[in-house]
Amino acid sequence: DGGITQSPKYLFRKEGQNVTLSCEQNLNHDAMYWYRQDPGQGLRLIYYSQIVNDFQKGDIAEGYSVSREKKESFPLTVTSAQKNPTAFYLCASSTPYNNEKLFFGSGTQLSVL
Amino acid sequence: AQSVSQHNHHVILSEAASLELGCNYSYGGTVNLFWYVQYPGQHLQLLLKYFSGDPLVKGIKGFEAEFIKSKFSFNLRKPSVQWSDTAEYFCAVSVKTSYDKVIFGPGTSLSVIP
Repeated sequence: DGGITQSPKYLFRKEGQNVTLSCEQNLNHDAMYWYRQDPGQGLRLIYYSQIVNDFQKGDIAEGYSVSREKKESFPLTVTSAQKNPTAFYLCASSTPYNNEKLFFGSGTQLSVL
Repeated sequence: AQSVSQHNHHVILSEAASLELGCNYSYGGTVNLFWYVQYPGQHLQLLLKYFSGDPLVKGIKGFEAEFIKSKFSFNLRKPSVQWSDTAEYFCAVSVKTSYDKVIFGPGTSLSVIP
């Protein structure tokens, strides 16, 4: 089945630790996105990438980093610089330049120990 | 900066009541408009979209939305809600700059009481 796979489903981070959230898609989409979902704040864009080896900061990129070495993969690293990382993280993909529809993964819940 | 606002944080309705969820965006250029829905325990999924043409668009499950350009609005409507419509609803805007960027509103939680 085509879709977006996010792993792990739950992740715990210790103080000062970097953690990486995985996002893989087999939809052959060029564009991929990372959103953070907090209660009452909706989805906020962290990073997005329209093509391989290129990505752009979204509205809340501080404390996060990404890479896009392969079309299928867009991992997100939550660094120790992100002081409030507890949130639900959603990865999405779409066809670029005329976003007809975003396809979402099932999300990763990150919590701080 | 571009933004999307939704009028209600939480709406509670009885079954068969009519629904209207407000959405406004701030961007003066060309936009594509979307409503997404997140049912409990499920992925976010597209409910309906507007790109151009008839400003009244119809989506899945009897939902429709009207784009009013002069008001920068894209309100979601359904004449008669069902218990299964209980979900979180997000309005979103795709902004055409050098990159297409999709911006979401804060969401409206809808609870339908049987």
